[in-house]
Amino acid sequence: EAGVAQSPRYKIIEKRQSVAFWCNPISGHATLYWYQQILGQGPKLLIQFQNNGVVDDSQLPKDRFSAERLKGVDSTLKIQPAKLEDSAVYLCASSSQGRGHGNTIYFGEGSWLTVV
Amino acid sequence: DAKTTQPPSMDCAEGRAANLPCNHSTISGNEYVYWYRQIHSQGPQYIIHGLKNNETNEMASLIITEDRKSSTLILPHATLRDTAVYYCIVRPLVGGSNYKLTFGKGTLLTVNP
Repeated sequence: EAGVAQSPRYKIIEKRQSVAFWCNPISGHATLYWYQQILGQGPKLLIQFQNNGVVDDSQLPKDRFSAERLKGVDSTLKIQPAKLEDSAVYLCASSSQGRGHGNTIYFGEGSWLTVV
Repeated sequence: DAKTTQPPSMDCAEGRAANLPCNHSTISGNEYVYWYRQIHSQGPQYIIHGLKNNETNEMASLIITEDRKSSTLILPHATLRDTAVYYCIVRPLVGGSNYKLTFGKGTLLTVNP
């Protein structure tokens, strides 16, 4: 079974530029998550989708970050304009159900962003 | 905020058992204990989870105290490839916005040759 796919793996941009990250979850997984992980810290949830609807985006800086999952499968996370403090790893994850018990969340390898 | 407390770092000799503790004194009856690990430059990897019974799989064993206020992850024969940050996370049974994983800082386990 293929895992969570993310691209690009690495990206370097200048501040005030824009960047987009793409995620393809595990086939059949209805729930998709985007996490931000700053160096030395644990991952922090940015947004959670259930199919193509947003369940939780309370930690997403909406003035510069946006995310969509139009067809309930792939998702894109965009940052515009980027700031130096956005330098982090952006992790995509998915799980089979948003309800029920014991549904494991699987993570991709992450997209490493450096803003200079 | 993370609802768990873990030591920031631990060392273990290669081939020996690694016992990673976690305190979750405010855990509620509808919350599981999950363990993930993150090897350098990789995404978090699921290890094991449990509700109140001890659990074992091909990677590790999870021992949960009877009052559920703490747990221990056991790697029975640690190898150098087990060097990673280990996260203990409590996660509710029901879905919705509370179904996410909330990470703390975890424990950096270093396996020494």
